[in-house]
Amino acid sequence: NAGVTQTPKFRVLKTGQSMTLLCAQDMNHEYMYWYRQDPGMGLRLIHYSVGEGTTAKGEVPDGYNVSRLKKQNFLLGLESAAPSQTSVYFCASSYSTGYNSPLHFGNGTRLTVT
Amino acid sequence: GDSVTQMEGPVTLSEEAFLTINCTYTATGYPSLFWYVQYPGEGLQLLLKATKADDKGSNKGFEATYRKETTSFHLEKGSVQVSDSAVYFCALTANTGNQFYFGTGTSLTVIP
Repeated sequence: NAGVTQTPKFRVLKTGQSMTLLCAQDMNHEYMYWYRQDPGMGLRLIHYSVGEGTTAKGEVPDGYNVSRLKKQNFLLGLESAAPSQTSVYFCASSYSTGYNSPLHFGNGTRLTVT
Repeated sequence: GDSVTQMEGPVTLSEEAFLTINCTYTATGYPSLFWYVQYPGEGLQLLLKATKADDKGSNKGFEATYRKETTSFHLEKGSVQVSDSAVYFCALTANTGNQFYFGTGTSLTVIP
């Protein structure tokens, strides 16, 4: 029962470097999401996807890009990392939207940008 | 827009104490309401949910009732255990929308 798997678990970047976070789900879910979690701010939605080949902006999309080339994978990219992007990043997926489709979360990626 | 407000933490309780974590929401229409729990070093897990007014969600001894008149979904447990120490998030989704809205989380520590 893998569920939602995120890689890597930890990463340290220098300002200006780039990286990609990978999210993979094996539940055949249509919807996938990227959140960031910061102290005192809860979870904020970065980008989401409602199906293979689609992406949409969430609440805090600036500085991030995403791709959903395959249904099971949702990639989050940082082209030029900034210290403000130091955070814990969570990927989530759901079968649909609304009341019968709660989110399933990965275990997170802790990113530090120095 | 839609939003969730939950009580500030952290909350520290002794084992077997009664727990209440307050959550109120703002939404158009009739949202579904959720409580998620995050144990240290892990992602969020669904704890319970309610999909319409007066519904009571329950799981692992936790309960929450969807109160439309007070726009609330308070989390309660009659007797907490050390293993309940975690961060609890209230969340909502509109039944026609693609997004979930989360509260800021309430950290609970239960001491023996």
